Amino acid sequence: DGGITQSPKYLFRKEGQNVTLSCEQNLNHDAMYWYRQDPGQGLRLIYYSQIVNDFQKGDIAEGYSVSREKKESFPLTVTSAQKNPTAFYLCASSIRGNGANVLTFGAGSRLTVL
Amino acid sequence: DAKTTQPPSMDCAEGRAANLPCNHSTISGNEYVYWYRQIHSQGPQYIIHGLKNNETNEMASLIITEDRKSSTLILPHATLRDTAVYYCIVRVSDSWGKLQFGAGTQVVVTP
Repeated sequence: DGGITQSPKYLFRKEGQNVTLSCEQNLNHDAMYWYRQDPGQGLRLIYYSQIVNDFQKGDIAEGYSVSREKKESFPLTVTSAQKNPTAFYLCASSIRGNGANVLTFGAGSRLTVL
Repeated sequence: DAKTTQPPSMDCAEGRAANLPCNHSTISGNEYVYWYRQIHSQGPQYIIHGLKNNETNEMASLIITEDRKSSTLILPHATLRDTAVYYCIVRVSDSWGKLQFGAGTQVVVTP
């Protein structure tokens, strides 16, 4: 079945450590996105990528970094510069152009900083 | 993007229709209405979208008023598995999927 796979599902990190969240899709989608969700809140856009080797900052990119070396993969690194990294992280993908707003989401990765 | 307003919560009895309202009074002529839902601790799921005409698919129906300033998502026969947060989002169709998810409506379906 086509879809988006995020790993790990749960992750614990000590303060000061970087951590990378994996996102892989086999939907042949061009665009990929990372969102962050805090308890009781909506989703906020961190980064998005429209094509390989290109990505753009979203609304809350500070303290995060991404890469897009392959169409299928869009990993997110939460750096030690992110002041409040404990959150639920969601990866999504879509086609380009008309229909780009129909996103397919992964199951999410829950990061807890100890 | 036009701003949307949704009630924070609503209850629905199992087997009955659930009617979820959304106000978007500043919607532009080329903006679509999208609905997503998020079951607890899962990723959001796309439900349906529309521009002017009413739309129906296997999950739900979308009714958009003639002036397009509000819409209603209808779950025809709610089940316990429909308990989720429902998000109404307005955006132009040919933009990149930089969707703005607000707080949504928490729908609880009760037996």
